[in-house]
Amino acid sequence: GAVVSQHPSRVICKSGTSVKIECRSLDFQATTMFWYRQFPKKSLMLMATSNEGSKATYEQGVEKDKFLINHASLTLSTLTVTSAHPEDSSFYICSASPMVKDDEQFFGPGTRLTVL
Amino acid sequence: QKEVEQNSGPLSVPEGAIASLNCTYSDRVSQSFFWYRQYSGKSPELIMSIYSNGDKEDGRFTAQLNKASQYVSLLIRDSQPSDSATYLCAVPDNYGQNFVFGPGTRLSVLP
Repeated sequence: GAVVSQHPSRVICKSGTSVKIECRSLDFQATTMFWYRQFPKKSLMLMATSNEGSKATYEQGVEKDKFLINHASLTLSTLTVTSAHPEDSSFYICSASPMVKDDEQFFGPGTRLTVL
Repeated sequence: QKEVEQNSGPLSVPEGAIASLNCTYSDRVSQSFFWYRQYSGKSPELIMSIYSNGDKEDGRFTAQLNKASQYVSLLIRDSQPSDSATYLCAVPDNYGQNFVFGPGTRLSVLP
């Protein structure tokens, strides 16, 4: 149980394009989903927290107009990196907290984004 | 702002030994604590949660919690090379929604 998927697992795009990453909780409903970014050999950095049906809460320094988050249902959240630039290249990881046990987080496998 | 601290390592132990990973946190109100394992290039994987003072065992893993000392540890018995990874300690923030992660301890188990 408690499986979270992400799609795509890897994406390479040109500078200036937008990339959408999907995060799904496969066998549970998630009250809250989280988006993290991780640079090589660095710790996880929380970007934003999203609750189904409401606007995401962004961490300080994260541009909400650049990283668009939509949490349309209790099992799906999307992160769109708009007008991507090479410095946005990173490992993006989502996690989800089950409604029945919302103090736990289960992570998706991550999406490696490379912007050329 | 809650803080979670870990030694960054690397911590090197020989195969078969006990690996001891430590984590301290900054406040006394935290009630739940989590250990994640992250292999290089992969996302974190939950391995243990602990809520009460004392020890909690799951296979080769034992989590130890001492709320008075604001200290939580993870012991890995009979360490294997496949245990080589970064171990992240996580504590819910004061609102109970987000996690505050420690920087992680890199463990290397030498064959």
